[in-house]
Amino acid sequence: NAGVTQTPKFQVLKTGQSMTLQCAQDMNHNSMYWYRQDPGMGLRLIYYSASEGTTDKGEVPNGYNVSRLNKREFSLRLESAAPSQTSVYFCASRELGWYKGNTEAFFGQGTRLTVV
Amino acid sequence: TQLLEQSPQFLSIQEGENLTVYCNSSSVFSSLQWYRQEPGEGPVLLVTVVTGGEVKKLKRLTFQFGDARKDSSLHITAAQPGDTGLYLCAGESTGTASKLTFGTGTRLQVTL
Repeated sequence: NAGVTQTPKFQVLKTGQSMTLQCAQDMNHNSMYWYRQDPGMGLRLIYYSASEGTTDKGEVPNGYNVSRLNKREFSLRLESAAPSQTSVYFCASRELGWYKGNTEAFFGQGTRLTVV
Repeated sequence: TQLLEQSPQFLSIQEGENLTVYCNSSSVFSSLQWYRQEPGEGPVLLVTVVTGGEVKKLKRLTFQFGDARKDSSLHITAAQPGDTGLYLCAGESTGTASKLTFGTGTRLQVTL
């Protein structure tokens, strides 16, 4: 069972470089999320996608863009990386529907990004 | 801005002690979840509470949702080293069902 898969697992960027973090889920979930986690801290929501074709800003969207490529894939792009974006990035997915209450979010293993 | 504040931020206790972690907000949530995260891993769901005043028990862990659905607590009885980890609350906003906001986190260390 793959669940939520993130690539890459580790990345070092120079200031000003760009990159895309990839996320794919095989659970047929409609909602997907990108969070960042700084050392010893909770998760901060960057962007989320309630369903295929929609994306919305979270708490800390500046410096990031997202694409919900299809139901399975949700990518996060850093156009011009800054040292303040050094963090661990987590992708998550969950199923939402009018008949469901709050459902479990399933997380990937994270991408550890360092910007120097 | 983090909408969900957790306290304490850090907690180091000995095996057998009891503890309570708090999750507070000025916003009302339709439901609230608690997750635990181990180093190098993503968070894993422990429990979901959906009704104001609801209490749920999971072995030695007791979760409560505040009557006004703005706060929650996690109580651990007779803590064990296996309880060590980062505990995170997460709320689903009443206005935006799909948005899931996490708290600031409580790092628990239980020693022998």
